[in-house]
Amino acid sequence: ETGVTQSPTHLIKTRGQQVTLRCSSQSGHNTVSWYQQALGQGPQFIFQYYREEENGRGNFPPRFSGLQFPNYSSELNVNALELDDSALYLCASSLFRNEKLFFGSGTQLSVL
Amino acid sequence: TQLLEQSPQFLSIQEGENLTVYCNSSSVFSSLQWYRQEPGEGPVLLVTVVTGGEVKKLKRLTFQFGDARKDSSLHITAAQPGDTGLYLCAGGSQAGTALIFGKGTTLSVSS
Repeated sequence: ETGVTQSPTHLIKTRGQQVTLRCSSQSGHNTVSWYQQALGQGPQFIFQYYREEENGRGNFPPRFSGLQFPNYSSELNVNALELDDSALYLCASSLFRNEKLFFGSGTQLSVL
Repeated sequence: TQLLEQSPQFLSIQEGENLTVYCNSSSVFSSLQWYRQEPGEGPVLLVTVVTGGEVKKLKRLTFQFGDARKDSSLHITAAQPGDTGLYLCAGGSQAGTALIFGKGTTLSVSS
């Protein structure tokens, strides 16, 4: 059984650029959730995907978007990067409507 | 807006001491989860409590869910250096989508 894997592990971008983060869910899981964790804060919910459709969204602007693929892997896209987007981005997989989340190690994004 | 307040924010203790971390809210949650996160890693689920008044034990860790399902506590007995990390509580909703996380308690246990 493979766990949740995220890529890349670290990324440096400049303000205004676009970024794509990737996540492979744990074997058997059909739901992927994305969280943003700023330094010294707890994770904040961005959105969740189930059956390739967005199933719930947190208080994040439209420039944060996502995709889920038929194999349940997922992407998080952020356009027009801002300095405040610097954070650890966490992907978590689960079974639909099951609150037991399995997190990846995250992608550390730095926006300069 | 549902919020979870954790206290204390930082805790630095000696090996062998006992400690309690608190997680409080004015909102009712369908479940409360506790995670531990180490630097450079994602959070790892320790326990889920769903019933008001529920107590769960995981070796030296004891978790309690408040009767009104608005608060929870984590008690560690005889802390060890391996317990060092960021402890996060997270509340679940009936909808089963987003988890609401507290800001966490950073625990440092020195030998």
